Parts: sequence; structure tokens; C-alpha cells
Amino acid sequence: QKEVEQNSGPLSVPEGAIASLNCTYSDRVSQSFFWYRQYSGKSPELIMSIYSNGDKEDGRFTAQLNKASQYVSLLIRDSQPSDSATYLCAVRSSNTGKLIFGQGTTLQVKP
Amino acid sequence: GAGVSQSPRYKVAKRGQDVALRCDPISGHVSLFWYQQALGQGPEFLTYFQNEAQLDKSGLPSDRFFAERPEGSVSTLKIQRTQQEDSAVYLCASSLGRSRAGQNYGYTFGSGTRLTVV
Repeated sequence: QKEVEQNSGPLSVPEGAIASLNCTYSDRVSQSFFWYRQYSGKSPELIMSIYSNGDKEDGRFTAQLNKASQYVSLLIRDSQPSDSATYLCAVRSSNTGKLIFGQGTTLQVKP
Repeated sequence: GAGVSQSPRYKVAKRGQDVALRCDPISGHVSLFWYQQALGQGPEFLTYFQNEAQLDKSGLPSDRFFAERPEGSVSTLKIQRTQQEDSAVYLCASSLGRSRAGQNYGYTFGSGTRLTVV
């Protein structure tokens, strides 16, 4: 089992819809969780961080964390074609402090 | 500088050649990380520095890979006797470390070095 798992997609949604991206992790004591966006040929860009159970909202983005289920998600409201990218879930290792990344989910927002 | 700077942006190496990849982190960032990203995959951890100390090198795939950060700022990732399987994008990231609340800051990534071994 990988430490951080994501469905590779592609996830295709129409413009204006809500995109839901999911991630599960295996380290039960992880405390810090991050979502990165990566456009093709570019480096990952941090878009959200979350540390506590529940929801955290920032503009059109909402991160959700459920530590009991070892599950973190990212919702993108009013999806735009410019949101089309790969979204990487990252979890901070409780032992070493390094970020462990999932393989990423490719999102396609169709006009 | 304003961001994490990596050079070269692209590197083509003949199999067996040694290469050196440079990372200049954001000023004041104590933590520096190297990742390897293959096409269609997420970044894979290679090694981690806090200031000049290499605290974790568990991700380095073989003894051909070596990283250093002698003065706690610029870091160099060196790959000796490159092989075709070393072809990937090498990403450097830096971070402030931990906040006073004990939460970990996210990383800021550089643009990466795309290494192609032929």
C-alpha cells in the first residue's frame, strides 16, 4: 500500500461545476496535509494546507480533513478551464517531517 | 531571490557522465528538499537538509547520488555515472520549517531541472 493514494483520473467536469478530488493516507499520526497544483511542464504550487479535522475554505477551494478515516479532499467550486491541471496531495511524515506525495489526479474542466 | 532557483533548467547527459544540479533556496528558508519526479508520477523524496545538516537521505536511489549544502544555503545534487533510469525532473523545494504553533509550513518548489540521459 502506498503511503498517499490518489486516483490518477482524469477527472472531467464541465465549467462551473464542483470538482471533488480525494486522497487517502496510511500514517495515522500525520498532522499536516497539503494540496498542490501542477500545470503540465511546471513545478508544483501550494494551494491549500490543512491541519485540523473539518473544512478549510479559501476562495473557490475547500480542503476537508477526516483524520479518523485518514482521508483528505479538495473541492473546487465554479470550476474554470484554467483549473485544468494535476492536483497533488501531500502528507507530512510524522517520523521524518518530509512530505510524501500521491501520484496526483489530473483534472480536466471542459468549457 | 524571490523564489527557489534551479539550474540548469535542462540537462542532456550521455550515459556514464557525471552531472551536478544546483538549487538556490529562498533566503531564510532553513529546510531544503530534493525530489525526483518521473513523467506522470508524483514527486518522490530524495533527501532533506536543515541548514547544512543532511537529516534524511533515505530516498537517494543509489550511492551514485550525492547531495550537499555546505553553508546552509545553496545545495547541489550530484549524480555520478548517469543511467537512463535517472532521466526525470529533479525538483528542489525550500521551507521555513515549523511555525511557533508547531505546524509545518508547506514547501515552495523551484522550476526543476529536466535531466535526460541518452
